[in-house]
Amino acid sequence: KAGVTQTPRYLIKTRGQQVTLSCSPISGHRSVSWYQQTPGQGLQFLFEYFSETQRNKGNFPGRFSGRQFSNSRSEMNVSTLELGDSALYLCASSFTGFSEDTQYFGPGTRLTVL
Amino acid sequence: GDSVTQMEGPVTLSEEAFLTINCTYTATGYPSLFWYVQYPGEGLQLLLKATKADDKGSNKGFEATYRKETTSFHLEKGSVQVSDSAVYFCALTTTGANNLFFGTGTRLTVIP
Repeated sequence: KAGVTQTPRYLIKTRGQQVTLSCSPISGHRSVSWYQQTPGQGLQFLFEYFSETQRNKGNFPGRFSGRQFSNSRSEMNVSTLELGDSALYLCASSFTGFSEDTQYFGPGTRLTVL
Repeated sequence: GDSVTQMEGPVTLSEEAFLTINCTYTATGYPSLFWYVQYPGEGLQLLLKATKADDKGSNKGFEATYRKETTSFHLEKGSVQVSDSAVYFCALTTTGANNLFFGTGTRLTVIP
């Protein structure tokens, strides 16, 4: 079974631009979560989608948004990029979305904002 | 709020040494506890998990026991290998939500 895939793997943008990242979960998984990883703040939860609905949201500004499609694929959008948005963005999927369920992570998208 | 406190690194060990990485947590309700590992240039992989008190998670020689009385989930391995060199993250989810709260990570380097 294929794992979680994320595209693109690397992105370079300039301040003020917007960016869209894509995540394809493991087949059959309905929950998709997004995390930001930075050297200073570590791993932080952005949001979670289940059956096309946002169920949970972390403490990030409204510039960060996402959506999920009927095939469970998810996209994350960041508008008006800031230098501090440079990070590794990780997507994770799980089958049930329950708290005890294992989340499987993709390789991440490395975003650099210049 | 919910949080995870993890032993600061980096940790450097010789091959076949015993490993312990400490992890304590603060959470409401009954959290599920996880250890994830991140190899260079890769995403996170689940190493093991425990979903209720006194459960022991184990995988690839690593073990951790969910201790409610001490709010701890320490990671141990009896004999580390060079291939175990990676960053290890302790994490939790709380009842009713699956967003992971992560510790700061501990970088382990095993030298031959």
